[in-house]
Order: sequence, then structure tokens, then C-alpha cells
Amino acid sequence: DVKVTQSSRYLVKRTGEKVFLECVQDMDHENMFWYRQDPGLGLRLIYFSYDVKMKEKGDIPEGYSVSREKKERFSLILESASTNQTSMYLCASSLGVGQETQYFGPGTRLLVL
Amino acid sequence: QKEVEQDPGPLSVPEGAIVSLNCTYSNSAFQYFMWYRQYSRKGPELLMYTYSSGNKEDGRFTAQVDKSSKYISLFIRDSQPSDSATYLCAMSEEYGNNRLAFGKGNQVVVIP
Repeated sequence: DVKVTQSSRYLVKRTGEKVFLECVQDMDHENMFWYRQDPGLGLRLIYFSYDVKMKEKGDIPEGYSVSREKKERFSLILESASTNQTSMYLCASSLGVGQETQYFGPGTRLLVL
Repeated sequence: QKEVEQDPGPLSVPEGAIVSLNCTYSNSAFQYFMWYRQYSRKGPELLMYTYSSGNKEDGRFTAQVDKSSKYISLFIRDSQPSDSATYLCAMSEEYGNNRLAFGKGNQVVVIP
């Protein structure tokens, strides 16, 4: 079974703090994704990566950056957290082109005070 | 027009009823179609996966794809309280950019 893990289930941070969310997958998948999920807005893609050290902007990249130094690990960074970044953050991975099914981690609920 | 439309519900049904969910889409290049189930405060899990048109059955779950109408459906037979969750449809092109287009999700409540 594909396993995607996220470093924290719940996080509470203060405005202006730098926040790191980590995601690890154990199935040698090429692609990794970061989403945020908010009521009424559904899943929105922040960034994705199709290879080590490669990244692509999603639909809402502002205020976020990412890092992929190793194939199995994809980090989301909030450079200076703001209250409007309070959300559920979901990481996902997929095998690669031709197999687009994405497998999700359990999510991190981030509260920015 | 959004790429994928899904009625958010909520949909409440009595235990044992058939649940019918659907999504419409606008991109005729979509070839892969998925349904995800998401329990409260958890990540989505893949429920059904279909390539191109047709039906697929897995236990109590049936997925249908009608590409001519740009319409996909998920049916849950003999619904159980454990089926109470949000169901998201997702789809992608065959040689796309690795991205999935998601519906907003449809909340289902099965009442014992």
C-alpha cells in the first residue's frame, strides 16, 4: 500500500512565524503535491513537484514555497504565517505520467493566531 | 464555467438506501476519472478509478462514466452509517500535466 505521511496532524503558530510542513511518501512516486482545503472552496493546489529539485506553481502559490531535495520528501514552507493561512493542508503523491491517481496523507490542520 | 462541477449537498439518506452522486465537467480531454472518500478531519482516500467511459463495480460501489455527456456518477448500494463522508470526484487528461481537477465534494450522511 502507498503510504503518505505528514509530520504533524495539528499545528498552532503565531502570525509572522516561519512554518515548515513535511511530507514523506514510501512508494518511489515521481510526483508530489501540496493542497489546502477550506470549507466551500474544496481542494486548491499550492505547488507540485514532478522530480527532485523541480517545482511548479499551482493555483494559489502566494505566501508559500516548497523544497524537494529528496524524491520521497516534499516540504511546504510558509515564510511568514498569516491568519488567512489557517487551513487543512494535504500532501499527495502520484506515480507519474500515465498514472495520475493521487494518494493523500492524513492532513495537517494549521491554526495561525 | 468551472472545470468540474459537483453539488456540495449535504445529502441525507436512511440506512440501506441507494446513494447517487454525480459530477459534470467541461474538458473533453479528461480520460481518467476517480472518486475519493474523505472522512471528517482525515485525508481523502481513493475509492474508485475508471479509465475512459463505462462502468466499474467494486462491492457496493459502482462508478459510471458517460463521456458523451461529460458526466460521471457514483452509486452506493445498501448504504451504511460508515459511508457517511464527503465524496470528491477527480479527473485528469491522458497525457496531461500531472494535475487532477477536483470537484468541491459532496457530503453524505447515512442515518441509522
